Amino acid sequence: EAGVVQSPRYKIIEKKQPVAFWCNPISGHNTLYWYLQNLGQGPELLIRYENEEAVDDSQLPKDRFSAERLKGVDSTLKIQPAELGDSAVYLCASSRDRGSIEQFFGPGTRLTVL
Amino acid sequence: SQQGEEDPQALSIQEGENATMNCSYKTSINNLQWYRQNSGRGLVHLILIRSNEREKHSGRLRVTLDTSKKSSSLLITASRAADTASYFCATRASGGYQKVTFGTGTKLQVIP
Repeated sequence: EAGVVQSPRYKIIEKKQPVAFWCNPISGHNTLYWYLQNLGQGPELLIRYENEEAVDDSQLPKDRFSAERLKGVDSTLKIQPAELGDSAVYLCASSRDRGSIEQFFGPGTRLTVL
Repeated sequence: SQQGEEDPQALSIQEGENATMNCSYKTSINNLQWYRQNSGRGLVHLILIRSNEREKHSGRLRVTLDTSKKSSSLLITASRAADTASYFCATRASGGYQKVTFGTGTKLQVIP
């Protein structure tokens, strides 16, 4: 069984440019999470999807961040425009459903904003 | 915001020694999990302990939970170089559906 797939693995952009990250969760997993991980810190939840519905986006900076999971499968996280402080690793995770305890993480996308 | 804080922030031991890392959290929880993250990789689930449990074992891992002190510890026995990674506790608060909140992590280095 394939794990959570994320692309790209690395991205370097200049500030004020847009950037997008893609995630394909494990097949059959209804719940999808996007996390932000700063250097030396644990992941912090940005948004959680149950199928195609965003059910917890309270930590998503909505002025510049957006996300979608149109068909309830893969998801895209976008930043426009990027700021220097957005440099971090963006992790995607999935679980079978909202009641599942274990989350399965992708390798992450390391974003560097210059 | 980080619910858990781990201690120590970094730990360096010789192969074969035991490694102990601690996690303290702030609110009442339903369960606590430990995850491992190898450098440049995603997190991998290691073990879960529920709020009504005091100790769990899985292979070389032993987890304890003290809900009165709001703390947990992860013990890795007979460490191996491959155990070199960052370890995070993750808590799910009690009361309805609550998101999982990760701690700040302990960076473990096992020297061959």
